[in-house]
Amino acid sequence: AQKITQTQPGMFVQEKEAVTLDCTYDTSDPSYGLFWYKQPSSGEMIFLIYQGSYDQQNATEGRYSLNFQKARKSANLVISASQLGDSAMYFCAMREVSYGGATNKLIFGTGTLLAVQP
Amino acid sequence: DAGITQSPRHKVTETGTPVTLRCHQTENHRYMYWYRQDPGHGLRLIHYSYGVKDTDKGEVSDGYSVSRSKTEDFLLTLESATSSQTSVYFCAISEGDAANYGYTFGSGTRLTVV
Repeated sequence: AQKITQTQPGMFVQEKEAVTLDCTYDTSDPSYGLFWYKQPSSGEMIFLIYQGSYDQQNATEGRYSLNFQKARKSANLVISASQLGDSAMYFCAMREVSYGGATNKLIFGTGTLLAVQP
Repeated sequence: DAGITQSPRHKVTETGTPVTLRCHQTENHRYMYWYRQDPGHGLRLIHYSYGVKDTDKGEVSDGYSVSRSKTEDFLLTLESATSSQTSVYFCAISEGDAANYGYTFGSGTRLTVV
């Protein structure tokens, strides 16, 4: 069964420094997508970045990049030059293509709470 | 305008009462989902829909039912609310179900069962 693991319940980072949020996944399917979402204290879920299992390069979106190591089944989120507004809960999620099912769903990790300190 | 809205945003209800949460989308997406969010558990799938009147159970479906009579609305019903169903409920929509399709989420409903 597919599974997402985020081993860091909480992290601190100094403003303007880079931070890496860990995510490992488990799947036997060769085709899957990996996503990161941000949830600020206001509660909404905000899509940050996507990485496909067949993508040759690591995904980047502004200050966000995804360190994709397929053999290790890890998809760590790197935030460069942290800002106070980056303080939030971050969720890693995976969607795999399971043929024969009604649909393919996102499964989520338990999240990492990031606090950016001035 | 937001493509997906949830109502109500907050609700307090008593144990044993029925509760219905509504998710409304204007994107004409085929796929809709209900998740609950609890500390230490992330988001867990309750039910999902892959078309009008086509629904199926997720990993935590006990005590919940859903209905989708038209594309834009997906209702989640707690037949008899219990304290364990106190949670934040998120609706999500997806344009497709291939691996590269993510979700767009509603703003969430905070439900408290007393």
